[in-house]
Amino acid sequence: DVKVTQSSRYLVKRTGEKVFLECVQDMDHENMFWYRQDPGLGLRLIYFSYDVKMKEKGDIPEGYSVSREKKERFSLILESASTNQTSMYLCASSSQGEQYFGPGTRLTVT
Amino acid sequence: AQSVSQHNHHVILSEAASLELGCNYSYGGTVNLFWYVQYPGQHLQLLLKYFSGDPLVKGIKGFEAEFIKSKFSFNLRKPSVQWSDTAEYFCAVPYYGNNRLAFGKGNQVVVIP
Repeated sequence: DVKVTQSSRYLVKRTGEKVFLECVQDMDHENMFWYRQDPGLGLRLIYFSYDVKMKEKGDIPEGYSVSREKKERFSLILESASTNQTSMYLCASSSQGEQYFGPGTRLTVT
Repeated sequence: AQSVSQHNHHVILSEAASLELGCNYSYGGTVNLFWYVQYPGQHLQLLLKYFSGDPLVKGIKGFEAEFIKSKFSFNLRKPSVQWSDTAEYFCAVPYYGNNRLAFGKGNQVVVIP
């Protein structure tokens, strides 16, 4: 079974803090994704990576950056957290179009 | 960019009722279609997928979906729901050469025992 793990299930940070969300997949997938999930808005793509050190902006990249130094690991960085970044963050990896999701990190910025 | 429409964001029904959730996407050229489900407190998981062949696809837990190319639709159905089908359901369609998925806004389904 594909396994996608995320470093934290719940996280509380203060406005202005730098936040790191980590994601690891164990299936040697080329593609990895970061989404945020908000009620009534579905999943919105923040960033996408198709190879080590390669990244592309998704639909809502503002306020976020990413890092992919190793194939299995994809990190999402909030340089200076703001309250409007309070959300559920989902990581996924994919093979042949099908995406496999981690359990999510519920981030609260106060 | 691809857009995916799911109507009736909140659906409440009784056990044994039939369920149909609509999914329409904005442009064709793709034949890979997905429905994902998120049960309360669980991670998003694949319910069923269509890649090619028979447009009527069967998934887990008695769900099925029908791909109608002329209508750009991929509607999800279950003839008789159970309380355990309470979940949020998302339709997803690839874009940018199948590397990305565009998700609908989801249907929150509540099944009353």
